[in-house]
Amino acid sequence: DAKTTQPPSMDCAEGRAANLPCNHSTISGNEYVYWYRQIHSQGPQYIIHGLKNNETNEMASLIITEDRKSSTLILPHATLRDTAVYYCIVRPDNYGQNFVFGPGTRLSVLP
Amino acid sequence: NAGVTQTPKFQVLKTGQSMTLQCAQDMNHEYMSWYRQDPGMGLRLIHYSVGAGITDQGEVPNGYNVSRSTTEDFPLRLLSAAPSQTSVYFCASSVTHPPYEQYFGPGTRLTVT
Repeated sequence: DAKTTQPPSMDCAEGRAANLPCNHSTISGNEYVYWYRQIHSQGPQYIIHGLKNNETNEMASLIITEDRKSSTLILPHATLRDTAVYYCIVRPDNYGQNFVFGPGTRLSVLP
Repeated sequence: NAGVTQTPKFQVLKTGQSMTLQCAQDMNHEYMSWYRQDPGMGLRLIHYSVGAGITDQGEVPNGYNVSRSTTEDFPLRLLSAAPSQTSVYFCASSVTHPPYEQYFGPGTRLTVT
């Protein structure tokens, strides 16, 4: 699996957009980018994933650069409940492949 | 749907004791896995299963055993607990088609003294 690099921590003001970067410069052509988050001590929660195109769902948007070497997760209007550790993971789109969770980015949404 | 359930929520063991952490899912997912998370760290894969009767080792399998006799259940056994196994344990399950979204249980906090 390609390795990812994320900043260890970030702050964001409540109501503003939170932009979380991820570097995956060694990503392969068949590897997807996934984002999960872990709120306090709960189990991680799936947010979004993508291959080449930008993706949006009810939780967030994922912007992947054209060369696919980096991506940004965008929470458009961060709330206090979005305070969590966010994990960027790349893995092949193959059945049975495992997710490798790094240390992630600790996002603090401030009132 | 209850999703992924884990029992117990908390457990304290003495060094050398054995125990089984239970994990069950009611979503008919073929893929199940166990992770451990140490303080300030990401999750590390212990064992996983791609279906009943099939298990394989992850990144940190030593000291743990698993079996998968049914689709629903995937217990994790600690053979002889050590203080290094003090951690939070998460069970997860997922579908076997894209996007392979994993659903995690609430975790079991284990302390070995």
